[in-house]
Amino acid sequence: SQELEQSPQSLIVQEGKNLTINCTSSKTLYGLYWYKQKYGEGLIFLMMLQKGGEEKSHEKITAKLDEKKQQSSLHITASQPSHAGIYLCGAVRYDYKLSFGAGTTVTVRA
Amino acid sequence: GAVVSQHPSRVICKSGTSVKIECRSLDFQATTMFWYRQFPKQSLMLMATSNEGSKATYEQGVEKDKFLINHASLTLSTLTVTSAHPEDSSFYICSAKLPGLAGGRNTQYFGPGTRLTVL
Repeated sequence: SQELEQSPQSLIVQEGKNLTINCTSSKTLYGLYWYKQKYGEGLIFLMMLQKGGEEKSHEKITAKLDEKKQQSSLHITASQPSHAGIYLCGAVRYDYKLSFGAGTTVTVRA
Repeated sequence: GAVVSQHPSRVICKSGTSVKIECRSLDFQATTMFWYRQFPKQSLMLMATSNEGSKATYEQGVEKDKFLINHASLTLSTLTVTSAHPEDSSFYICSAKLPGLAGGRNTQYFGPGTRLTVL
């Protein structure tokens, strides 16, 4: 089965500072999704990466997939309170379903 | 685009009763929808895949008779928790994907979730 490990489990960052979340797979990824969730709410799609070495950015969030397609990172530049939440990475399985990591809880302090 | 709704957002029921949760794709047709369960401070666990016009496929360990899924149209899937017990209390989230498998069409769009509490 697809094993996804996210690190750190949680982090607290000062507003305006940068942060990075990692997602590591035990197997080669067919595709990697990043979602954001606020506690008790649904998931918001952020980005999807498919190719080795691919990098995508949206506003202050950048996601990368390494060349071997086993590790992805999500980087937020100059964090704001709106960036607070739970970030989940999801791997595309062989049957095109998603398998999720445990999530990283981000707290942004003013 | 790609908006998914769920109803109800919260439900409280007595042990032994059945509860139905609806998942709707509002602005697109979804031949495939997914049902997830999430316990507090844990990740999403896929329960089943709902396919329009055919039987749902369940993940290992998920009771088919306990969690009934019906995908009656291209925009609606329902999850019925039968004979609910307190251990069924959880956050249930559905998602829907665009038809096809290529590239971004595998992206799942999630509903806001339903908080089920069984007393």
